[in-house]
Amino acid sequence: EAGVTQFPSHSVIEKGQTVTLRCDPISGHDNLYWYRRVMGKEIKFLLHFVKESKQDESGMPNNRFLAERTGGTYSTLKVQPAELEDSGVYFCASSQDRQTSYNEQFFGPGTRLTVL
Amino acid sequence: GEDVEQSLFLSVREGDSSVINCTYTDSSSTYLYWYKQEPGAGLQLLTYIFSNMDMKQDQRLTVLLNKKDKHLSLRIADTQTGDSAIYFCAESMEDTGRRALTFGSGTRLQVQP
Repeated sequence: EAGVTQFPSHSVIEKGQTVTLRCDPISGHDNLYWYRRVMGKEIKFLLHFVKESKQDESGMPNNRFLAERTGGTYSTLKVQPAELEDSGVYFCASSQDRQTSYNEQFFGPGTRLTVL
Repeated sequence: GEDVEQSLFLSVREGDSSVINCTYTDSSSTYLYWYKQEPGAGLQLLTYIFSNMDMKQDQRLTVLLNKKDKHLSLRIADTQTGDSAIYFCAESMEDTGRRALTFGSGTRLQVQP
């Protein structure tokens, strides 16, 4: 079974440009999460989808970031316009929908974004 | 508030035990996790512990939880060169319905042959 995949693996853009990151979760996983790690610091939560709905977007830094998950399958994260401080590694994760407590999140390899 | 802290770097010799430490501040955490990230790969869940447990052992891995001090540790017995990676501590509060994980900055483990 394929794991979580992310595209591209690396993106280099100039300040002010737009970038779109894509995440394909594990098939059948209703939950999809975006996280990012900036400059070797902690990995921070951005948002959580359940199917196509945004369940929790408390970690989104500002309105330059737009996440979508049309049809409840893959998700995109668009940064427009990109700023220098947006550089980092963006991770996507997915998990099954379980009613009880523990719920393992499976992570993709990440997209390394460099804004010059 | 949510804050998870880890030391940045640990170096051990092959065959020794490694102990990676983590402290957290949110007393309402329900699960605590250890994730491993190898170069170029995503995060892989190594093990987790429920907050009402003190210890969990899984082959070479031992997790200790001290709720009073909000301290979590991961011990790797007989450390191998393949254990070299970044280890992240994380917490979640599943009973609030919130599924987001709160991570530390990661500890880079270097295993010397």
